[in-house]
Amino acid sequence: QKEVEQNSGPLSVPEGAIASLNCTYSDRGSQSFFWYRQYSGKSPELIMFIYSNGDKEDGRFTAQLNKASQYVSLLIRDSQPSDSATYLCAGHSGGYQKVTFGTGTKLQVIP
Amino acid sequence: ETGVTQSPTHLIKTRGQQVTLRCSSQSGHNTVSWYQQALGQGPQFIFQYYREEENGRGNFPPRFSGLQFPNYSSELNVNALELDDSALYLCASSLTGQAGAVQYFGPGTRLTVT
Repeated sequence: QKEVEQNSGPLSVPEGAIASLNCTYSDRGSQSFFWYRQYSGKSPELIMFIYSNGDKEDGRFTAQLNKASQYVSLLIRDSQPSDSATYLCAGHSGGYQKVTFGTGTKLQVIP
Repeated sequence: ETGVTQSPTHLIKTRGQQVTLRCSSQSGHNTVSWYQQALGQGPQFIFQYYREEENGRGNFPPRFSGLQFPNYSSELNVNALELDDSALYLCASSLTGQAGAVQYFGPGTRLTVT
């Protein structure tokens, strides 16, 4: 069983719509969660991190964490074609700063 | 504030050779983690260095080794290269003790083994 699971997609949404990206994790000891955006051929870029249950908003992005359900999500409002990328969900657990990544969800925003 | 840098950008090696990849951490960060990312996969944790010592290791064989220097920069060494070692190698820096363990990635080194 993978520690962090994501639907590989692609997830296609029209421009201006809300994109909803989901992630589940198996390690109940996970403390912090991260969303990274990765354009093809580039390195991951941090979008948001969250470590408390509930919602965290930053501009067009909202991260949601539900530790009871072991579920993390990322909402992108007013999606733009430039948001088309692979979105990586990651969780932090362990005594050191090991971060475990999912395989990523490819998002396509259609103009 | 300088970001994470890596060198070289691209590298082509032959099976059986050895390679060294380099990483300079973001200013103010004291921890470096290395990841391997194969095409279509998420980054896989190789190991982490803190205070010049290996602070954790993923499921990679001993031919993957590393170093961290007093200035917090780091090297990843891979011996006896195999074709499956072809991947994007990512370095990420962070500040141990900071809540959230936020890691910031460098641009990566694309390694091709032929």
